[in-house]
Amino acid sequence: AQKVTQAQTEISVVEKEDVTLDCVYETRDTTYYLFWYKQPPSGELVFLIRRNSFDEQNEISGRYSWNFQKSTSSFNFTITASQVVDSAVYFCALSVFSNDYKLSFGAGTTVTVRA
Amino acid sequence: KAGVTQTPRYLIKTRGQQVTLSCSPISGHRSVSWYQQTPGQGLQFLFEYFSETQRNKGNFPGRFSGRQFSNSRSEMNVSTLELGDSALYLCASSLGDETWSGNTIYFGEGSWLTVV
Repeated sequence: AQKVTQAQTEISVVEKEDVTLDCVYETRDTTYYLFWYKQPPSGELVFLIRRNSFDEQNEISGRYSWNFQKSTSSFNFTITASQVVDSAVYFCALSVFSNDYKLSFGAGTTVTVRA
Repeated sequence: KAGVTQTPRYLIKTRGQQVTLSCSPISGHRSVSWYQQTPGQGLQFLFEYFSETQRNKGNFPGRFSGRQFSNSRSEMNVSTLELGDSALYLCASSLGDETWSGNTIYFGEGSWLTVV
């Protein structure tokens, strides 16, 4: 079975601070994808990033960056120079080859950015 | 291009009634999936459809059902509503393939269902 753990329930920062969200996953599959989604109060889950299990290269996309480490089964996500509009719930999710067509989500981390 | 569209956005039903929620996927997307989100259980997978066929189903009772039409639109139905069915129901779509490819899954704004 697959499992995604987001240990941080809530994070509160002041604008312009960096925010790092932790995600640890469990799966026996060697082929899988990891995702991060953002959920503002409106309810829609907004896709942020996707990474496959064969590519551990860490990247930066605008103010977003991620650190994927298979050795520790972690897929952490960082928002640089946070803004008030970044306030939302962030979800880490996993999709595996053996149980395709579904995402297993973590419990989410609520990020509050104060002006 | 237009995103995933769900209707209705908000609805209130009485216990014992049934409800039907609709979803229009992103144009060109053939896979549609549904998720239930509650404060207690978080985001849980309901089912996924591709080319009008259900390919995967989550651990929900038979009161929860769905279908997909030939134009990829989808509906889900919950019969004999219970108070615990109050939730945000999210529809998602992806390109979909005959085999797994880890396509990015895009979500709609959801339908907020309250059962009283």
